[in-house]
Amino acid sequence: EAGVVQSPRYKIIEKKQPVAFWCNPISGHNTLYWYRQNLGQGPELLIRYENEEAVDDSQLPKDRFSAERLKGVDSTLKIQPAELGDSAVYLCASSLDGTGGVHEQYFGPGTRLTVT
Amino acid sequence: AQSVTQLGSHVSVSEGALVLLRCNYSSSVPPYLFWYVQYPNQGLQLLLKYTTGATLVKGINGFEAEFKKSETSFHLTKPSAHMSDAAEYFCATRAPSGYSTLTFGKGTMLLVSP
Repeated sequence: EAGVVQSPRYKIIEKKQPVAFWCNPISGHNTLYWYRQNLGQGPELLIRYENEEAVDDSQLPKDRFSAERLKGVDSTLKIQPAELGDSAVYLCASSLDGTGGVHEQYFGPGTRLTVT
Repeated sequence: AQSVTQLGSHVSVSEGALVLLRCNYSSSVPPYLFWYVQYPNQGLQLLLKYTTGATLVKGINGFEAEFKKSETSFHLTKPSAHMSDAAEYFCATRAPSGYSTLTFGKGTMLLVSP
């Protein structure tokens, strides 16, 4: 079974430029998560989707970040415009569901963003 | 609010030695606890988890952890380190009821020398 797929794996952009990350979760997983992992830190949740609905986006900087999950499958995370402080690894994860039971979250390999 | 503290950003052991990675949690109720491993340029992989029941939990790759409520700890151990265990390890927690966000520690890098 294929795992969580993310692309691109690496991205280098200049500040003020836009950037987008793509995630394809494990088939059948209704819950999708985007995390940001700064250097030397653990992942921090940006947004969680239940199917196509964003149910927890309290940590998403909405002035420059946006996300969508069309048809409840693939998801895209966008930053516009990027700032130097956005340099980090952006991880996507998915699980069967996010409610009640402790279903394991499966993580993708991440996209390493460098903003210069 | 749930939180975890991992003691030591780096731990070095020799191959064959005991591995001990420390994690202490802060929670008003006994939380769910997890250990994840992250190899270079890869995503996180679940090693083991504690939810309810037996306090000693066994995971993959020979790792285990014990939930100690009195010490608010969930330390990760492995009797004999292997070179392939070199990676970064994250302790994480979440509240036990309904849905809540996973909160990760800052991670501990395990270095294994021959």
